[in-house]
Amino acid sequence: NAGVTQTPKFRILKIGQSMTLQCTQDMNHNYMYWYRQDPGMGLKLIYYSVGAGITDKGEVPNGYNVSRSTTEDFPLRLELAAPSQTSVYFCASRPGRSSYNEQFFGPGTRLTVL
Amino acid sequence: AQSVTQLGSHVSVSEGALVLLRCNYSSSVPPYLFWYVQYPNQGLQLLLKYTTGATLVKGINGFEAEFKKSETSFHLTKPSAHMSDAAEYFCAVMGRGIQGAQKLVFGQGTRLTINP
Repeated sequence: NAGVTQTPKFRILKIGQSMTLQCTQDMNHNYMYWYRQDPGMGLKLIYYSVGAGITDKGEVPNGYNVSRSTTEDFPLRLELAAPSQTSVYFCASRPGRSSYNEQFFGPGTRLTVL
Repeated sequence: AQSVTQLGSHVSVSEGALVLLRCNYSSSVPPYLFWYVQYPNQGLQLLLKYTTGATLVKGINGFEAEFKKSETSFHLTKPSAHMSDAAEYFCAVMGRGIQGAQKLVFGQGTRLTINP
């Protein structure tokens, strides 16, 4: 299994541009998550999904959109990039409904908005 | 609502010395608690977790943590630091989302440096 994969690894955007961060998992996990990591701030939850077609907002959803058309994929969309969205973005997935299950993280996408 | 406070954004210890990373939590329900480690330019990896049962939890790489309800703490320790332990460590408490989703609330992280 490749686990959780994210593309691209790095990206520089200009203010107002849009882009989609890709996240794919091959573990047949129902739950998927998007986090952003800012220095000294830990990770903040942006959106999450409990299965294909079902998503919900996390702590910091403004400026982002998600979709979940398949179990494997959970893309994150930035419509109008702003400097405040400069961050490292992590996707994670988790199997089943048991709260004992851990989240598995991808390697991250480092995004800079200039 | 759940929250996590990690005391000390940077901790530096000598190789072979005790590692102690502090974590205090706030939770309105019995907490599930996690420690994750992040090596440079990598994603997060689970070190250990507390859900129910024994309050002393052992994890990978010789780390352990003790859940103390009376102190609302979940400090991470390792008896003898190795150079390979240099990383950033995150404490997290679990909140619950829709349809049983596990929503982790993270602390701000502690960067551990090991001195030779």
